[in-house]
Amino acid sequence: AQSVTQLGSHVSVSEGALVLLRCNYSSSVPPYLFWYVQYPNQGLQLLLKYTTGATLVKGINGFEAEFKKSETSFHLTKPSAHMSDAAEYFCAVINQAGTALIFGKGTTLSVSS
Amino acid sequence: EPEVTQTPSHQVTQMGQEVILRCVPISNHLYFYWYRQILGQKVEFLVSFYNNEISEKSEIFDDQFSVERPDGSNFTLKIRSTKLEDSAMYFCASRQDRELRGYTFGSGTRLTVV
Repeated sequence: AQSVTQLGSHVSVSEGALVLLRCNYSSSVPPYLFWYVQYPNQGLQLLLKYTTGATLVKGINGFEAEFKKSETSFHLTKPSAHMSDAAEYFCAVINQAGTALIFGKGTTLSVSS
Repeated sequence: EPEVTQTPSHQVTQMGQEVILRCVPISNHLYFYWYRQILGQKVEFLVSFYNNEISEKSEIFDDQFSVERPDGSNFTLKIRSTKLEDSAMYFCASRQDRELRGYTFGSGTRLTVV
C-alpha cells in the first residue's frame, strides 16, 4: 500500500538559509509524487510533481525536489529561504489505482529574519 | 487562473445536526473529490465522484456522509448527524481528466462541531 512519511513536523530556518523538507514514500507501483504548500487560511497549492523522466523536478517559487528510488525519498529543497516561504508543506503520493492522493502529516516551515 | 470555490469558509454546528458543505469545481473538470484534515493530522481522502456517481470512497466515508452534484456547477458533501470528531478542514478538489497536473484544491471549509 502507498504511504508517505514526512520527517519533522516543524522546521525552522533563517532567511537566506537552505530549506530541506524530508519526505519518504512507500509504493507498490512506480510512484507519482507531489509537494503541496498551504498558506494560512488558503487551499493546497501544487509546488511540483514527479511522474516519470527527470528525477530532479523544479517547481514554483524556487523549490525543487529530487526523486531517489534507491532511498525511496522525495525531499524538497530551496537554496535560500524567504520570509514568504513560511507555510505548511505536504508531500503526497498517488494511490495504487491512480485516483486519489495520499498525504503525509505535513511540515510547518518557519522562517526568521 | 480558474479556482475551486468552497463555501462557507467556516461553519459551526451543534452535534447531531446535518451540515452541507458546498463546492464549485472548475467548470470543465470531470472528476471531483472531498478530502478532510483533522487539526494536526494528515489530509485524508474521503471520496471521489465521476459521471454522477461515487467512483471511490475511503473507510472514513461511512453512511453519515453523502455527496451530490445537484446541478451543473455545485458539488456538495452532506454530513447527516454530525459528531464532535467530524470537526476538521474539508477540502474539495477537481480535475479535468486523468492528467494529474490538473488536480486543483479549494481553500477549504473549517467545520467545528460543538
